Amino acid sequence: QVQLQESGPGLVKPSETLSLTCSVSGASITDSYWSWIRQPPGKGLECIGYVFYTGTTNYNPSLKSRVTMSVDTSKNHFSLRLTSVTAADTAVYYCVRALSDSWARGRWFDFWGQGTLVTVSS
Amino acid sequence: EIVMTQSPATLSVSPGERANLSCRASQSVSNNLAWYQQKPGQAPSLLIYGASTRASGIPARFSGSGSGTEFIFSISSLLSEDFAVYYCQQFYSWPYTFGQGTKVEIK
Repeated sequence: QVQLQESGPGLVKPSETLSLTCSVSGASITDSYWSWIRQPPGKGLECIGYVFYTGTTNYNPSLKSRVTMSVDTSKNHFSLRLTSVTAADTAVYYCVRALSDSWARGRWFDFWGQGTLVTVSS
Repeated sequence: EIVMTQSPATLSVSPGERANLSCRASQSVSNNLAWYQQKPGQAPSLLIYGASTRASGIPARFSGSGSGTEFIFSISSLLSEDFAVYYCQQFYSWPYTFGQGTKVEIK
């Protein structure tokens, strides 16, 4: 069974950088694409982006200028950095495995971390 | 960006009854659509992908249909554990987008 676990600060000050790590167990980080999805309190889901262990990334255009994702194969984990945060970035952040198939144009999400609430506040 | 619109926002259903949820895409996504269930305080979980393929371990009472811009998600006979929020997601074009969710509540 694939398991994902987010870790990182739960409180970030405005204008600073949000940094999260997702530890993966039960699967090799090199086998799949990996994604970050966030959910503001009481609201819907937003795809932040996805990353492959080769360094291939794709970011949501709405966040692209502030987002960096990376993979550490030695630790079997991947990371998210979001710079210049504001209160609008307050959300539960999920790390997720992204799957695809030959017939598909894109990816769906089969295994999710439990999520970590990040609050942006001074 | 493809906009996904779900209806209704809230669906009140009695246990044992059938629930039908709708998801509409602002442009065709072919069959590149998934459905998720989210219970309070939990992460979403995958139910359906490819518009109609059940994910591993998902009971047969859950089903999906549709193609293009119109999709239906059904629960044939609701159990108590099925009361939750359901989201559709398109993976036809980036950025992948979700509907705003349909809350299925006990009538």
